[in-house]
Parts: sequence; C-alpha cells; structure tokens
Amino acid sequence: AQSVTQLGSHVSVSEGALVLLRCNYSSSVPPYLFWYVQYPNQGLQLLLKYTSAATLVKGINGFEAEFKKSETSFHLTKPSAHMSDAAEYFCAVTSNSGGGADGLTFGKGTHLIIQP
Amino acid sequence: DADVTQTPRNRITKTGKRIMLECSQTKGHDRMYWYRQDPGLGLRLIYYSFDVKDINKGEISDGYSVSRQAQAKFSLSLESAIPNQTALYFCATSDFGGGGYTFGSGTRLTVV
Repeated sequence: AQSVTQLGSHVSVSEGALVLLRCNYSSSVPPYLFWYVQYPNQGLQLLLKYTSAATLVKGINGFEAEFKKSETSFHLTKPSAHMSDAAEYFCAVTSNSGGGADGLTFGKGTHLIIQP
Repeated sequence: DADVTQTPRNRITKTGKRIMLECSQTKGHDRMYWYRQDPGLGLRLIYYSFDVKDINKGEISDGYSVSRQAQAKFSLSLESAIPNQTALYFCATSDFGGGGYTFGSGTRLTVV
C-alpha cells in the first residue's frame, strides 16, 4: 500500500520569498512521484514528475523537487514566489512496478497563499 | 480538442436519481481512471480499467459502477445518487510506464 502526507494544509509566503511545500511518501516498492497544481475552478496540471532518473527534477513555472529516498520525501520548491502561484498543490505517488498501473495515490493537498 | 474530455462539466441532480458521467480520450492509452475530489481530502480513486475487459475497484467504489465501452470511453454511474456523492469528479488516462497521466477538466456533481 502507498500513502502520501503533505505537511500543512495551508502555507502562506510573501511574494518574492522561497516556496517550500512538503511531501513525504510511503511505498514498499520504488515509486514514481508527481506534483500537480490546481488553480481555482480548474483541473489538474502536472508540475513535475520523478520516474527514477535524476533525483532533482525541474518542472514548469520555476518549480523543482528533489527525491530523497533516505527521507522518503519529495518536497516542492520555488526560489521566488509570484502572485500567480496561489493555488492548491497535490503530491501523488504510484508504483513503478507494473508501470504504475494501479493509479495515483494523492496527498490531501496544500493551499498556497501568496501575500503581496 | 482536449485529450481527455468529460461530460457534463456541471450537473445538479436529485437524491435517488441515476446519473452517468462520461469520459472519452484521444490519447490512445489503455489505462483509464475515475477519481473524486473533496475539499481537504485530495483525490481518491473510485475505479480503474486496464482495457475493455479489465475493471478494478479503487479505494472508494461503493455506490458507484463503471463501464468501459471501448478503449477510448470510460463511464462512471451513480445508480442512486446521495448528497454524500456531491464532489468534483476527474477522469484520467495513463500510458504504460506510469510516467504520463492525463486528467480531464472535471465534472462538478451536486446531489440535492
């Protein structure tokens, strides 16, 4: 069984400050890991994914995440927050055995608030 | 056109009514999924399908059924809707390798 824990249901940062959204996962087999963003009243957009290649993954809109197996973490960062980053962020995991066939397991989400 | 299309986009229905949510895809993916999203709970898997003859229950399948009419079509049914099923529903597809999931725009369902 797999699970994802996102620390902090709400995170508030000032515009221009570092964004750090935390994600820890549990998986008995090597994982694939994902970050998705959801803007108000919209669907899910893939920010980045880890699929057992480089542990530091760069995504869209200046976001990146680092896979740390020893810490079972996949935290999302962005050096400088922008007002347009305000959204809901979801971390998700699937198993890379069987090609991730069983679907994604999502965290409960973190609502990112950007203070002007 | 979107790769994964969900219809309807919004639906209000009454308790006890049968309702079907439809999903079609042009990605050519074999694997299709239905999720529901509730505030504070993230997305949870309802059903998934590897092909037309392979349907599997997810974490929260009670009260739902699905039909995989073709490789490109995967429908979710609520046989007798209840207010607790008010949620945002997403369809998704994936290719082999697990690295590529594509989501539809969602169907917002309200059961009154």
